[in-house]
Amino acid sequence: GAVVSQHPSWVICKSGTSVKIECRSLDFQATTMFWYRQFPKQSLMLMATSNEGSKATYEQGVEKDKFLINHASLTLSTLTVTSAHPEDSSFYICSARASGPQETQYFGPGTRLLVL
Amino acid sequence: QKEVEQDPGPLSVPEGAIVSLNCTYSNSAFQYFMWYRQYSRKGPELLMYTYSSGNKEDGRFTAQVDKSSKYISLFIRDSQPSDSATYLCAMRGSYKLIFGSGTRLLVRP
Repeated sequence: GAVVSQHPSWVICKSGTSVKIECRSLDFQATTMFWYRQFPKQSLMLMATSNEGSKATYEQGVEKDKFLINHASLTLSTLTVTSAHPEDSSFYICSARASGPQETQYFGPGTRLLVL
Repeated sequence: QKEVEQDPGPLSVPEGAIVSLNCTYSNSAFQYFMWYRQYSRKGPELLMYTYSSGNKEDGRFTAQVDKSSKYISLFIRDSQPSDSATYLCAMRGSYKLIFGSGTRLLVRP
């Protein structure tokens, strides 16, 4: 199956700093990438959808100025959590999908963020 | 009412049992149906992908979609302790995936 990587796998930072998470599709070109957030024992919550070369579409309630998404190429998307606070601590997972209506989504291994 | 309903479990079965996992949904526009397996602190892993109604088999896993009843199932035969994980159903029309809440499965040795 298709492989999606994320880096870093975990990060600890101080409150007020910014954190960047990278998502890469390793063996296919992802025209669309998704960013999810997951709290313990809960399902995935879609934060935003990005298409290569265009602005991300954010879900209702997600602050676009806080969660900056860049999809600069067909294999790379980044999520930057700006001025992180303890309530931003969570498990962030990216997903990538190739072009075509029947293409499915493949997920990265996730990034665990802890803001102190 | 949620678009996708899934029993959160936990579901505990002995090794070797047949496991049945299910989801119901309300949106008749859904065309693509998936099952993902997620181990603790890991990203979801795609298990099965089905387009429209019907059955699909892959090794010990069988996925069924009944669009008339808006009901999908995942069967796991000869379950193993390594199958212990959370199973997420997911479906979509033309755009974004809608996930069930996930069912926690525990296969006892």
